[in-house]
Amino acid sequence: KNEVEQSPQNLTAQEGEFITINCSYSVGISALHWLQQHPGGGIVSLFMLSSGKKKHGRLIATINIQEKHSSLHITASHPRDSAVYICAVTDTDKLIFGTGTRLQVFP
Amino acid sequence: DAGITQSPRHKVTETGTPVTLRCHQTENHRYMYWYRQDPGHGLRLIHYSYGVKDTDKGEVSDGYSVSRSKTEDFLLTLESATSSQTSVYFCAIGQGPDRELFFGEGSRLTVL
Repeated sequence: KNEVEQSPQNLTAQEGEFITINCSYSVGISALHWLQQHPGGGIVSLFMLSSGKKKHGRLIATINIQEKHSSLHITASHPRDSAVYICAVTDTDKLIFGTGTRLQVFP
Repeated sequence: DAGITQSPRHKVTETGTPVTLRCHQTENHRYMYWYRQDPGHGLRLIHYSYGVKDTDKGEVSDGYSVSRSKTEDFLLTLESATSSQTSVYFCAIGQGPDRELFFGEGSRLTVL
């Protein structure tokens, strides 16, 4: 079993829909990261959080430490949100990555 | 954007040849990481560094070595490339494991 599990693996949506991507982990962590990777490969950090909730524009990330679970929400989705979203957790000096959720948003 | 560059961005080589990938940063970040990304797998850590001359192995370190002789450069070497090392390699930098990470653009390596 992977230490970081994401669901769903693939997600399609119509423009404007509210989207949720989930991440569960089984190790003790000091931080959780949400990353975005567009086709063509560049990886960008969206959020880093260790408790509570963070918001940036239409993106919201939450974490529940007790339940070892985090969610990434996208409100009013847009085709430019189409990308792979990756969850990663910090375990001592290293990050452990999930396999990513591929999101496609259609006009 | 954090100043991080990888070179080369694309390389095709033959089995058995040595290959070195370079990661260069201008941000003075303490931590530097090398990952590989393959279909069906998350990013997997090869090696990382937490300071000049301080490095440690990741989960897929066999067949790879690294060096960090100065803060800004982290080199990944494949002493004798194999086809299983065909992958996209990403370098990342950060101030610490619980701080924001910045990624390079990736280096696509093909070993024939």
